[in-house]
Amino acid sequence: EAQVTQNPRYLITVTGKKLTVTCSQNMNHEYMSWYRQDPGLGLRQIYYSMNVEVTDKGDVPEGYKVSRKEKRNFPLILESPSPNQTSLYFCASSSPAGDTEPETQYFGPGTRLLVL
Amino acid sequence: QKEVEQNSGPLSVPEGAIASLNCTYSDRGSQSFFWYRQYSGKSPELIMFIYSNGDKEDGRFTAQLNKASQYVSLLIRDSQPSDSATYLCAVKTGAGSYQLTFGKGTKLSVIP
Repeated sequence: EAQVTQNPRYLITVTGKKLTVTCSQNMNHEYMSWYRQDPGLGLRQIYYSMNVEVTDKGDVPEGYKVSRKEKRNFPLILESPSPNQTSLYFCASSSPAGDTEPETQYFGPGTRLLVL
Repeated sequence: QKEVEQNSGPLSVPEGAIASLNCTYSDRGSQSFFWYRQYSGKSPELIMFIYSNGDKEDGRFTAQLNKASQYVSLLIRDSQPSDSATYLCAVKTGAGSYQLTFGKGTKLSVIP
C-alpha cells in the first residue's frame, strides 16, 4: 500500500527546544515536500527535495531545516521552535507525470505542533 | 511574490448540479496546475492535474486551463454530498523546480 508516514502525529513543546518531525515514503518517489497549513493562510510549502542530497526552499523556509540522506526519508528540523511555528504540518511525496504515467502525489496524515 | 487566488466560498450547490471552482495565478511562467480535495481533518488528496491549455476530463471532474488568462478551473458534474470538502488549487512554476504555491481553498457544500 502506498504510504507516507509522519511522526509524531501530535507534539507539544516549548520555545527553543529542538525537535524533528520524521517523514517516510514507501513508493520510491524522487520528490518530497514539507508544508504547513494555517487557518486563513492555507497550505504553504516549506522545503522540497527533488532527489537525495538535493533540497530547495519553498515559500516559507525560515526557521526550518531539512535533509535528504536517503530517498525514502525527509525529516523536518526545527532547531529553535517559536510559537509562530504552531501549525499543522504535512509531508508529501510525488512522482511527476511521464509519457505513460500520471502525476502522483501522496500526503502524510499530518503532524499537529503546538509551541508554547 | 507568486500568488494563487481562489474564492473562499463557501460555495453551495444542490445535489446533481455542476460545481464550478475557479483559480487565478500571477506567475506567467507557471507550467503545472493541480487540484486537491481536502476533507475536514484530513490530508489533501490530488484529484486532477493539467499542463496544457484546454480541458482535461477524469470521470465527473473536468479541469480547464487558460494560460493566456492565467486561469484554471475545476468542474464537478453531478455533484454528490460526498464531494463536500475544501478544494485547493496549486501551481508549479518552471522546469527544474518543484516549488508549489497553493491558493487558500474553496469550501464546497453539496446540499442533498
